[in-house]
Amino acid sequence: KQEVTQIPAALSVPEGENLVLNCSFTDSAIYNLQWFRQDPGKGLTSLLLIQSSQREQTSGRLNASLDKSSGRSTLYIAASQPGDSATYLCAADNAGNMLTFGGGTRLMVKP
Amino acid sequence: DTAVSQTPKYLVTQMGNDKSIKCEQNLGHDTMYWYKQDSKKFLKIMFSYNNKELIINETVPNRFSPKSPDKAHLNLHINSLELGDSAVYFCASSSEGGNGAEAFFGQGTRLTVV
Repeated sequence: KQEVTQIPAALSVPEGENLVLNCSFTDSAIYNLQWFRQDPGKGLTSLLLIQSSQREQTSGRLNASLDKSSGRSTLYIAASQPGDSATYLCAADNAGNMLTFGGGTRLMVKP
Repeated sequence: DTAVSQTPKYLVTQMGNDKSIKCEQNLGHDTMYWYKQDSKKFLKIMFSYNNKELIINETVPNRFSPKSPDKAHLNLHINSLELGDSAVYFCASSSEGGNGAEAFFGQGTRLTVV
């Protein structure tokens, strides 16, 4: 059974700082790993999807990496902004139809 | 134009009632899902539905039943609601279910059972 863990659970940084969010998973037989953003009281917004054959994906100031052998993924946010404040969730897709989510990292970027 | 939409956004109801949450996607996807986010914010899969094949998470009580009138809709029916059913329910969809395609989520339905 897949288990996904995210560290840290909460993070507070000053504006402009580069930061890394960590995600680990126990079963490396994944189809893909997906990073989401969730704002309070809102739905999930897909940020990046890394297929199992890929090592990383980039979108603007976001870069996600995947190391299947070690069961790890990281989300790198460059030059953080207050608008980046949200909860970031990673999810592993094993069965091809179902995502297993981590508990999330609650990020606060202070002006 | 909303890709995955759920109604209602908020639902408050009494214990023992039966309720439904509707979900529609206009992305042309053939796989839809229901997820539950509990008070601790953990998101867990409840069901996936692909071309009339239903995959159920074994931990979901049989009071919960998904119904798909067509490929674009997957509704969630809940019978005999209990206090513990209070949560946010998210609908999602993806193309090529089973091949690890990107999932898109609705805005969620906050269910409160009193």
